[in-house]
Amino acid sequence: KQEVTQIPAALSVPEGENLVLNCSFTDSAIYNLQWFRQDPGKGLTSLLLIQSSQREQTSGRLNASLDKSSGRSTLYIAASQPGDSATYLCAVSEGGTDKLIFGTGTRLQVFP
Amino acid sequence: DTAVSQTPKYLVTQMGNDKSIKCEQNLGHDTMYWYKQDSKKFLKIMFSYNNKELIINETVPNRFSPKSPDKAHLNLHINSLELGDSAVYFCASSQAYQGHQPQHFGDGTRLSIL
Repeated sequence: KQEVTQIPAALSVPEGENLVLNCSFTDSAIYNLQWFRQDPGKGLTSLLLIQSSQREQTSGRLNASLDKSSGRSTLYIAASQPGDSATYLCAVSEGGTDKLIFGTGTRLQVFP
Repeated sequence: DTAVSQTPKYLVTQMGNDKSIKCEQNLGHDTMYWYKQDSKKFLKIMFSYNNKELIINETVPNRFSPKSPDKAHLNLHINSLELGDSAVYFCASSQAYQGHQPQHFGDGTRLSIL
């Protein structure tokens, strides 16, 4: 059974720092991995999707990497801003399905 | 325009009642989903539909019955509500089934059972 874990559970940093959020999964037979952010009282916003054959994806200040064999993904946030404060969730899609299995989330606070 | 919209946003009701949550997407997507986020913020898939056909049913009690009248709508009806049903329910959609497409989420329906 696939399990997805995110470390750390919470993170508080000053503005401007570069951050790394970690995601690990127990079964390497994934179809893709997605990173989302969730703002309080809101739904999830898709940030990056990495297909199982890819190693990384970039969007603006965000970079996500995937090491399928070791069951790990990292989300790198460069030059963090207060507007980055949110909960970040990773989710893996199992082989050939759209079923997403979510991690436990990292709650990020960036203070001015 | 909101891409994935859910109604109502809040739902407070008594145990034993029957209630429905509606979801509509205007993205032209083929696949829609229902997720449940519990009090610990853990998110878990309940159902997915592709072109009005049920694809995923994740061992959800049969008190929960999804219905997809067309590709743009996926509703969730819940019978005999229980205290444990209190949660936030999210609807989502994606462009195609089994494609590498991100899922787009609504803002959620916060269900509270008294």
